[in-house]
Amino acid sequence: GAVVSQHPSRVICKSGTSVKIECRSLDFQATTMFWYRQFPKQSLMLMATSNEGSKATYEQGVEKDKFLINHASLTLSTLTVTSAHPEDSSFYICSARDHTGRFYNEQFFGPGTRLTVL
Amino acid sequence: AQRVTQPEKLLSVFKGAPVELKCNYSYSGSPELFWYVQYSRQRLQLLLRHISRESIKGFTADLNKGETSFHLKKPFAQEEDSAMYYCALSSGNEKLTFGTGTRLTIIP
Repeated sequence: GAVVSQHPSRVICKSGTSVKIECRSLDFQATTMFWYRQFPKQSLMLMATSNEGSKATYEQGVEKDKFLINHASLTLSTLTVTSAHPEDSSFYICSARDHTGRFYNEQFFGPGTRLTVL
Repeated sequence: AQRVTQPEKLLSVFKGAPVELKCNYSYSGSPELFWYVQYSRQRLQLLLRHISRESIKGFTADLNKGETSFHLKKPFAQEEDSAMYYCALSSGNEKLTFGTGTRLTIIP
């Protein structure tokens, strides 16, 4: 299968600072990537769909000014949590799809980033 | 709106016994259903999808449109099956809606 990486794997920051999380497709090109948030012992909640070369599409209730998404290339999408607060502490997971059809449009998931805001 | 329900948060099964993880969905159109698995300290990965009709690691799942269910089954549980299992639905727009997950523990 295809590989998706995330960096960093965990980050601790002070309240009010901004944090950038990178999601990379290592061996395939992804015109679409997805960002999820997972609270402890809960399911994955889709935050937004990241489209290469255009604006992200946010799910209802997700603040686009709070969670900035940039998909500047076919292998990289970034999620920036701006002015982070303790309630933003969570596990953030990205996924990417190979649109060439090699894997029948399967979504491949990154390992996740644990964000802790103090 | 689409929704996926996994009624069991925890399920413990003895090794060698049959396993059934329940999944029900609500969606007005024709959904595509998936089962994802997350082993301890590993990333989420696709286990199987209903359109492929495959058996992966001994697991099968049949889409029952009448009952709006997509239960995951395996006739004989193995210890390595212990993991978190998520049922997910795609409405054709690429987005996945996940259930809350079931933690399966296989008792030796």
